[in-house]
Amino acid sequence: DAKTTQPNSMESNEEEPVHLPCNHSTISGTDYIHWYRQLPSQGPEYVIHGLTSNVNNRMASLAIAEDRKSSTLILHRATLRDAAVYYCIVYSGGGADGLTFGKGTHLIIQP
Amino acid sequence: SQTIHQWPATLVQPVGSPLSLECTVEGTSNPNLYWYRQAAGRGLQLLFYSVGIGQISSEVPQNLSASRPQDRQFILSSKKLLLSDSGFYLCAWRTTAYNSPLHFGNGTRLTVT
Repeated sequence: DAKTTQPNSMESNEEEPVHLPCNHSTISGTDYIHWYRQLPSQGPEYVIHGLTSNVNNRMASLAIAEDRKSSTLILHRATLRDAAVYYCIVYSGGGADGLTFGKGTHLIIQP
Repeated sequence: SQTIHQWPATLVQPVGSPLSLECTVEGTSNPNLYWYRQAAGRGLQLLFYSVGIGQISSEVPQNLSASRPQDRQFILSSKKLLLSDSGFYLCAWRTTAYNSPLHFGNGTRLTVT
């Protein structure tokens, strides 16, 4: 699976949008981009995934660059409950092997 | 709907004692099952995964072993715990569908003393 690069930490204010970047310059044409988040003392939680087009769900939006070498997870209106570590993972989609989690971005939300 | 159960939530064990952590999934058949470990302040490390009953793939040589005696049951074991086995153990599952997401349990926090 392609390697990803994320900032170690980011800080945002409550009720403001948050844009979490991820670089994956070695992504291949069939790799998917997955995002997970891990709240303190909990297991990771699936957030969203996409291939080429931007994706929206009830939790977040995923904006994928046209060359697919980067993507951005967008939280439209952050709450204190969104404080977590966010992982960006590039995954080929096939096979049974597990996902490889990097260090992720520690998102801090200020009230 | 599908659910994953993992127990116990916390565990304190002395060095040299055995370990057995259990994970079960409900609401799905023939899931792929996974054990991850997260040491304090570290990332998630994949330990084992299984694509079916009795089938175990080990990602990292460990003082640990895994077994899958039933379709939706995944067990993590050790005969003799080491201090370095302390950590947050997470079980996860996903369907065999292409690109299906992982679903994690709430984890077991193991402290080896």
